[in-house]
Amino acid sequence: AQRVTQPEKLLSVFKGAPVELKCNYSYSGSPELFWYVQYSRQRLQLLLRHISRESIKGFTADLNKGETSFHLKKPFAQEEDSAMYYCALRGYGQNFVFGPGTRLSVLP
Amino acid sequence: NAGVTQTPKFQVLKTGQSMTLQCAQDMNHEYMSWYRQDPGMGLRLIHYSVGAGITDQGEVPNGYNVSRSTTEDFPLRLLSAAPSQTSVYFCASSYSRDRAQADTQYFGPGTRLTVL
Repeated sequence: AQRVTQPEKLLSVFKGAPVELKCNYSYSGSPELFWYVQYSRQRLQLLLRHISRESIKGFTADLNKGETSFHLKKPFAQEEDSAMYYCALRGYGQNFVFGPGTRLSVLP
Repeated sequence: NAGVTQTPKFQVLKTGQSMTLQCAQDMNHEYMSWYRQDPGMGLRLIHYSVGAGITDQGEVPNGYNVSRSTTEDFPLRLLSAAPSQTSVYFCASSYSRDRAQADTQYFGPGTRLTVL
């Protein structure tokens, strides 16, 4: 079974502090992992994907197959990072499986 | 490009009523899907389609029907609305898995549905 867990419903950090949003998955094969973000009053959009190994808006995420994790990190949080973040997995099929989401609140 | 559009933005129904949520995309995407978003549960897949004339069930299909007569449109029908269907509904589209750009799903703005 494909499953994505995000243990924190809400994460509050101060501006300039490091932030880590946790994501763990269960999947028997080699999945594709993604982070999606939803800013206030905007639609969901792709933030980054593990295949690209890219850094978007200062965020990075490394796929750790041993720990089945794909945590999202940023060294210095900004107020504009406040949003809802969803970790997602895609297995062999076409469909994505989303985690429950973590609301990040960056305090001034 | 309008991207993915959804109508209506808001809807209130009474228990037992039926309605159709509209979704359209103008990016020539093969894959389209419907999700519902509930607090603490993330996005759950209702139905999906890999091309015109092809649809399949997702994780939570009961109480919903879909059809895909064209590449552009993927309407979601609630047959007999129930309070448990109160949710925010998102439509999404992407290229099919065998194409290089298949990683990114494009989402619509959502429809907030309340069933009384």
